[in-house]
Amino acid sequence: GQNIDQPTEMTATEGAIVQINCTYQTSGFNGLFWYQQHAGEAPTFLSYNVLDGLEEKGRFSSFLSRSKGYSYLLLKELQMKDSASYLCASMDSNYQLIWGAGTKLIIKP
Amino acid sequence: GAVVSQHPSWVICKSGTSVKIECRSLDFQATTMFWYRQFPKQSLMLMATSNEGSKATYEQGVEKDKFLINHASLTLSTLTVTSAHPEDSSFYICSARVPDLDHSPLHFGNGTRLTVT
Repeated sequence: GQNIDQPTEMTATEGAIVQINCTYQTSGFNGLFWYQQHAGEAPTFLSYNVLDGLEEKGRFSSFLSRSKGYSYLLLKELQMKDSASYLCASMDSNYQLIWGAGTKLIIKP
Repeated sequence: GAVVSQHPSWVICKSGTSVKIECRSLDFQATTMFWYRQFPKQSLMLMATSNEGSKATYEQGVEKDKFLINHASLTLSTLTVTSAHPEDSSFYICSARVPDLDHSPLHFGNGTRLTVT
């Protein structure tokens, strides 16, 4: 079956670094997406990985290991506005997205 | 970048009435659009895949006669919630991908918050 696992909730301190992990099992694999969703709003695209390794975009980086079925999203220099849910989604062989339940990130001053 | 516009942002209706939600791709043509529903503190749930010029594909457990989807043009898909009931109150979000780019991300509309009284 297809499955995406990520922690339900994480807490971090403003200015610190946090890593949100995601493991996936899908029928075929065409890449791993990360989205940010603030409460009451629609998701917004953060990153896409299809090859192994680290992709860096400013304060946010995303890592993929295809052999391990594992990805993480790394957020540096945390700001209060980063408080949101972070959704991991794997694209299967039919180019459909399989969604994780999301990780609620709470930033404390 | 690709933009998806959704309207209305929120709607309150009485039980038994129907509500139409529009989803438009503003700067690209979307042969396929996706309709999601999200209840509070829960994950996105795909309801149906809207295909331009053909019937929508509904996920298991989603009533096609209750959630009518029309994708009449390459830039517009509509979702009509018929005979709405309070349990249909939810956050409905549409999305689309730029075609011919297999690895392009889903771009989401801003969502429609439906409250049925």
